[in-house]
Amino acid sequence: RKEVEQDPGPFNVPEGATVAFNCTYSNSASQSFFWYRQDCRKEPKLLMSVYSSGNEDGRFTAQLNRASQYISLLIRDSKLSDSATYLCVVIASGSARQLTFGSGTQLTVLP
Amino acid sequence: NAGVTQTPKFQVLKTGQSMTLQCAQDMNHNSMYWYRQDPGMGLRLIYYSASEGTTDKGEVPNGYNVSRLNKREFSLRLESAAPSQTSVYFCASSEWGRGTEAFFGQGTRLTVV
Repeated sequence: RKEVEQDPGPFNVPEGATVAFNCTYSNSASQSFFWYRQDCRKEPKLLMSVYSSGNEDGRFTAQLNRASQYISLLIRDSKLSDSATYLCVVIASGSARQLTFGSGTQLTVLP
Repeated sequence: NAGVTQTPKFQVLKTGQSMTLQCAQDMNHNSMYWYRQDPGMGLRLIYYSASEGTTDKGEVPNGYNVSRLNKREFSLRLESAAPSQTSVYFCASSEWGRGTEAFFGQGTRLTVV
């Protein structure tokens, strides 16, 4: 079983739609959680951190459920520019701070 | 405002050739990482360096070696390239503390023929 699992998609949604991605992680000792965005043939960039209480940044909402060991990302009012691959990232406890990536979920927002 | 700089951006090698991928960061980060990204596989950790002077294996270290030359620089070496090492390689760096962002270089697209 992979440490971090995501639905690979692709998700094809019309502009203005709401779309949600889920990610599950297997290591219960994981302590930090993130969503990264990766555009085609580019490097990953941080979209947002995920906090236990849930957090929102504009049209994006991230939630963490430690009991069920999953993370979610909700995108409201999708824009064409949201088309990208979204990567779930988990850091386990320990000094190395290794980032473990999910395989990514591809989103295409259609006009 | 360079961040993480990787060289080269593109490389074609013949099977058995060797090469070194260079990575440098100017953010004074302690931790540096090398990942490879293959279609449908996400990013997989090859090696990491938690701090200057230390290196450790990640998920897929076979066929690679690394050197943490100083706090800024972390290089990845392929001693005898194989077609299975055709991939996109990313270097990243981050700082200690929870919720800290990792910054990535632009990637090196390596093809081994």
